[in-house]
Amino acid sequence: EAQVTQNPRYLITVTGKKLTVTCSQNMNHEYMSWYRQDPGLGLRQIYYSMNVEVTDKGDVPEGYKVSRKEKRNFPLILESPSPNQTSLYFCASSWTTGTDTQYFGPGTRLTVL
Amino acid sequence: AQSVTQLGSHVSVSEGALVLLRCNYSSSVPPYLFWYVQYPNQGLQLLLKYTSAATLVKGINGFEAEFKKSETSFHLTKPSAHMSDAAEYFCAVTTNTGNQFYFGTGTSLTVIP
Repeated sequence: EAQVTQNPRYLITVTGKKLTVTCSQNMNHEYMSWYRQDPGLGLRQIYYSMNVEVTDKGDVPEGYKVSRKEKRNFPLILESPSPNQTSLYFCASSWTTGTDTQYFGPGTRLTVL
Repeated sequence: AQSVTQLGSHVSVSEGALVLLRCNYSSSVPPYLFWYVQYPNQGLQLLLKYTSAATLVKGINGFEAEFKKSETSFHLTKPSAHMSDAAEYFCAVTTNTGNQFYFGTGTSLTVIP
């Protein structure tokens, strides 16, 4: 089954404790992207990747890192999480660019205390 | 830069009534426009997209949207609402490079039996 998977689905952590949210897709997509969803703000793009080793900032990249060492994986790294990063995070992928249909993962609900 | 504005964070309609969700965009270059739907506790899925072909775009589940350049609008409609249409709807915009993606703040649709 074609899908985008994220782990963990739920995470409660404390300020400053490094964490990684994994994202994996099995559709051989080139484009992958991370978003955060906050009430009243919709989804905002954090980082995107056009292909392996090609990443760039979205609208709200501060406090986040990403890497794209393999085509299927696009982990989101929070090196020193803060409470304002409490949010619902979505990973998405598409064939070549964001103009193609993006397929979204189920989301990761992160709480930073 | 690109952006989208969704008018009305909450819309209620009776079952069988017309659904109209509004989206206005701002773009300095020809836009690619999308409507995504998010059912409770799920990721987003594509309803329809405009990619500079026909201005009237038909999507899944009976939804359609019309691109009106003169009004910078891309409103979503469905002739007859069904209970299963209750969800959150997001309008989004990107450009032909498809790198950065901008979502609106979302409209929550309630369908009243």
